[in-house]
Amino acid sequence: QKEVEQNSGPLSVPEGAIASLNCTYSDRGSQSFFWYRQYSGKSPELIMSIYSNGDKEDGRFTAQLNKASQYVSLLIRDSQPSDSATYLCAVKDGGNEKLTFGTGTRLTIIP
Amino acid sequence: KAGVTQTPRYLIKTRGQQVTLSCSPISGHRSVSWYQQTPGQGLQFLFEYFSETQRNKGNFPGRFSGRQFSNSRSEMNVSTLELGDSALYLCASSFGQRGEQYFGPGTRLTVT
Repeated sequence: QKEVEQNSGPLSVPEGAIASLNCTYSDRGSQSFFWYRQYSGKSPELIMSIYSNGDKEDGRFTAQLNKASQYVSLLIRDSQPSDSATYLCAVKDGGNEKLTFGTGTRLTIIP
Repeated sequence: KAGVTQTPRYLIKTRGQQVTLSCSPISGHRSVSWYQQTPGQGLQFLFEYFSETQRNKGNFPGRFSGRQFSNSRSEMNVSTLELGDSALYLCASSFGQRGEQYFGPGTRLTVT
């Protein structure tokens, strides 16, 4: 069974610091990787996608992918209280549209 | 562009009843996927439709079904509701394969 693993947290980070979120996946055939942010009571919001090894930066967010280690991470620089949410890692293989999600990491930014 | 819309937003049903949920994708998106989110199981894939055809199905019983219309709007149906079907049902649309999926606000179903 394909699995996506995340540390459930909670992860507490001081405001202005870097938050680092990690995710591992079991299926070597996975080709697309996504990070979603979900506020309490809301639906997931796509914040980053990454398809090839290396880093991808978008504003304060950087996604990192290492297919050999089956590892994907999300860095949030200059963390803000509004970044407090649950972050979901999602993985898709090349064969279909099904997203397999991790259980999410709850992040709290401390002012 | 308008986002993914789902109706209704909230629903309360009793055991044994059936329910139909609706999803309108982002304009131009032809793939619609459905997910169930519960505190215990997290986000679980139900099924995906593309051009009115179900392409993929998750590990849910046959009580869960869906369809897609020619305008890409989709519905899912749950028959003979059970207490365990209480969940947030999310619809996501994408342009196509390898595309990013965007979620609607969800329908919160409570079964009593």
